[in-house]
Amino acid sequence: QKEVEQNSGPLSVPEGAIASLNCTYSDRGSQSFFWYRQYSGKSPELIMSIYSNGDKEDGRFTAQLNKASQYVSLLIRDSQPSDSATYLCAVKGTGTASKLTFGTGTRLQVTL
Amino acid sequence: EAGVTQSPTHLIKTRGQQATLRCSPISGHTSVYWYQQALGLGLQFLLWYDEGEERNRGNFPPRFSGRQFPNYSSELNVNALELEDSALYLCASSLQLNYEQYFGPGTRLTVT
Repeated sequence: QKEVEQNSGPLSVPEGAIASLNCTYSDRGSQSFFWYRQYSGKSPELIMSIYSNGDKEDGRFTAQLNKASQYVSLLIRDSQPSDSATYLCAVKGTGTASKLTFGTGTRLQVTL
Repeated sequence: EAGVTQSPTHLIKTRGQQATLRCSPISGHTSVYWYQQALGLGLQFLLWYDEGEERNRGNFPPRFSGRQFPNYSSELNVNALELEDSALYLCASSLQLNYEQYFGPGTRLTVT
């Protein structure tokens, strides 16, 4: 089992729709979770962090965390063509010195 | 506020040579992280430095090494380059014990 798993996609959604991106992780003790957006040929950009169970909203983005089920998701409302990118889920393992483990990413395509 | 900077942007080396990549973190950030992103693969954690000390190391051979300087900038050295070392090398920084990492633009290393 991979430490952080994401569906590679592509996930195709029409403009204006809600895009739902999911991520599962294996380390039950993980406490910190992040979503990054990476455009083709560019470096990852941090868009959301979440540490507690429940929802966290920031503009059109909502991160959802369920530690009991070991999954974290990202919802993008009113999807725009500019949201087309690869979305990386990252999970910090247990322990102060543990590293951030990235999933392989889900490619999102927002169609006109 | 200036972001993470990396140099050079591109680097072309031949097999067996050594490569040195450099990174300057965001002002005030003391932690620097190095990642390798090979084509079609996810982000692979290489090294983490904080306050001049190596905090964690990924599953890479010893020919991948680095250091952090008193001004918190860092360099990554790759000795005895192999063809499969060709990748985008990303540097990220964070505040100490704050796990939100911010990435630089990367160095594209090509080994021929």
